[in-house]
Amino acid sequence: GQQLNQSPQSMFIQEGEDVSMNCTSSSIFNTWLWYKQDPGEGPVLLIALYKAGELTSNGRLTAQFGITRKDSFLNISASIPSDVGIYFCAGTITGANSKLTFGKGITLSVRP
Amino acid sequence: GAGVSQSPSNKVTEKGKDVELRCDPISGHTALYWYRQSLGQGLEFLIYFQGNSAPDKSGLPSDRFSAERTGGSVSTLTIQRTQQEDSAVYLCASSLVWDQETQYFGPGTRLLVL
Repeated sequence: GQQLNQSPQSMFIQEGEDVSMNCTSSSIFNTWLWYKQDPGEGPVLLIALYKAGELTSNGRLTAQFGITRKDSFLNISASIPSDVGIYFCAGTITGANSKLTFGKGITLSVRP
Repeated sequence: GAGVSQSPSNKVTEKGKDVELRCDPISGHTALYWYRQSLGQGLEFLIYFQGNSAPDKSGLPSDRFSAERTGGSVSTLTIQRTQQEDSAVYLCASSLVWDQETQYFGPGTRLLVL
């Protein structure tokens, strides 16, 4: 089945730094999404991307839908302590009942 | 609140027992999804309900797993004869029919099978 690859598993940055996370797939996805999960909570949608090449921002977050439709990246600028959490990429394929295929997530730690 | 709610928040059970997990979706959301999140893993799709259509059960890992959605709202995920490998966080999500990529997740039920 389809798989999304996220690495590394963990990232450690200093408060104020920018960080970039990548997500790749061996298959084409029609929609790419980025979620953040805080401890004890369900994932929360950060950014949704619907078109190859699309670049979308949400505050300090910027994400892009790769032109090959097999990858996406998420940038967080000027990180703050509350950015700590697990960041998941997810994708859907048209006609697949919008069930999301998730990557394994990247745990982000921000040192004050 | 107005979000997706799940109960119980935590469940500890003994191997071989049956468990029922409940999901209350956001009012008006006709699409409902169940996912499983094992430690250090991403979310794994289990089952999808949309209105009165037949559910998509393609993600259920075995016939010990079943789910139903009564009245197009509340859903129950049942695991029979639980095994230790069933220990995970079970997450429910709901969405509007015209925006199914935007799924709103509940806080999950943490299941531990001893």
